[in-house]
Amino acid sequence: SQQGEEDPQALSIQEGENATMNCSYKTSINNLQWYRQNSGRGLVHLILIRSNEREKHSGRLRVTLDTSKKSSSLLITASRAADTASYFCAPWEVDSSYKLIFGSGTRLLVRP
Amino acid sequence: GAVVSQHPSWVICKSGTSVKIECRSLDFQATTMFWYRQFPKQSLMLMATSNEGSKATYEQGVEKDKFLINHASLTLSTLTVTSAHPEDSSFYICSARGAGGPLGNTGELFFGEGSRLTVL
Repeated sequence: SQQGEEDPQALSIQEGENATMNCSYKTSINNLQWYRQNSGRGLVHLILIRSNEREKHSGRLRVTLDTSKKSSSLLITASRAADTASYFCAPWEVDSSYKLIFGSGTRLLVRP
Repeated sequence: GAVVSQHPSWVICKSGTSVKIECRSLDFQATTMFWYRQFPKQSLMLMATSNEGSKATYEQGVEKDKFLINHASLTLSTLTVTSAHPEDSSFYICSARGAGGPLGNTGELFFGEGSRLTVL
């Protein structure tokens, strides 16, 4: 199992702006998942993109995946104060452990 | 959607006592559950993988005698922090993956709300 590395570590934007977070990983994956964690809470699954997909949308979320560069990005459009949270990417490879290892995440602050 | 319930959500205990945290999958069967630990403003650290009906697999550096994990059924895993000390104070989060079908084939995890342990 491997962990993703998110960039930037912290991001502060104004409400209504777009927020872009990046993720890099090291080896081949089956899919890559993005999760959100509000302070003091558990993680919530946001979106999953498979290795044969290049882009995926879900509401205000847009995820891209570039397997040749081993990177992914999460775009949140028209951000809201409620989007303030930490965001984690989790690359998943098919192995016997089925573990997800999380990096340090991106702490997003959306200022009202 | 798949729901994971974690209990208690917070607990305060005296040093030297043991604390049990429960993780339940409410509407699906979970053959595998994972226990994470999180320090303030840090990422989740995977502690162990809990497999139903077998021994847990601990990550390197995690004391198995300190953190006892039991996965007695397809819907329940427990983490017991034995002889707790102040340094065990942390936020513990469990997660589960499905036993098969759409929930079990993608690696997607369903997380509990976490349990905040404070050891005095």
